[in-house]
Amino acid sequence: QVQLVESGGGVVQPGWSLRLSCAASGFTFRSYAMHWVRQAPGKGLEWVAVISYDGSNKYYADSVKGRFTISRDSSKSTLYLQMNTLRAEDTAIYYCARDLMSYTSGWCDYWGQGTLVTVSS
Amino acid sequence: QSALTQPASVSGSPGQSITVSCTGTSSDVGGYDYVSWYQQHPGKAPKLMIYDVSKRPSGVSDRFSGSKSGNTASLTISGLQAEDEAVYYCNSFTSSSTFVFGTGTKVTVL
Repeated sequence: QVQLVESGGGVVQPGWSLRLSCAASGFTFRSYAMHWVRQAPGKGLEWVAVISYDGSNKYYADSVKGRFTISRDSSKSTLYLQMNTLRAEDTAIYYCARDLMSYTSGWCDYWGQGTLVTVSS
Repeated sequence: QSALTQPASVSGSPGQSITVSCTGTSSDVGGYDYVSWYQQHPGKAPKLMIYDVSKRPSGVSDRFSGSKSGNTASLTISGLQAEDEAVYYCNSFTSSSTFVFGTGTKVTVL
């Protein structure tokens, strides 16, 4: 069965960096685009970034562009989100999600349980 | 990348039908068929309910249906059931090759 397990969340100070990981299993990881989506406490969903099946295309929300980097390691079936220069407004649960397609359709059919990132001094 | 506009809440009695709207622009909802809908129960990860405007993933009840007209997409839930009470989000591809979620709609079963 398809499983996505996020890790790497925690409490950090503003300006610090953090790298999130998403370990995938139960499907051919290299065949699917992958997304990061976040949800601030008590708020709605916010799309963060997407990477195509082969890593050749990456797109970001304006709110994180230039600070966050999405990447993938197909040999490890793992998705990453490198987050630099963190701000208080980046505080959220971060979900990784599998795209239904190899290209970036935005149709996320499987989601992880999420990892909480808290940015606070 | 402004969030797509959804009503804050919609309610209905068991057995009734309700519709949740999702309004964007010609640069997102109106320009592409990459529209999807998600259901989220409290403390849970979102669940894909509709993709490609009107298609249902395997396992999703046929009581859920989607459509689009111009810059507005809609999710209809027929035969409303208690388990349908959740927050629903729309999502669309944008002309910047990014994606944007809607503001979310709390569906209440009276």
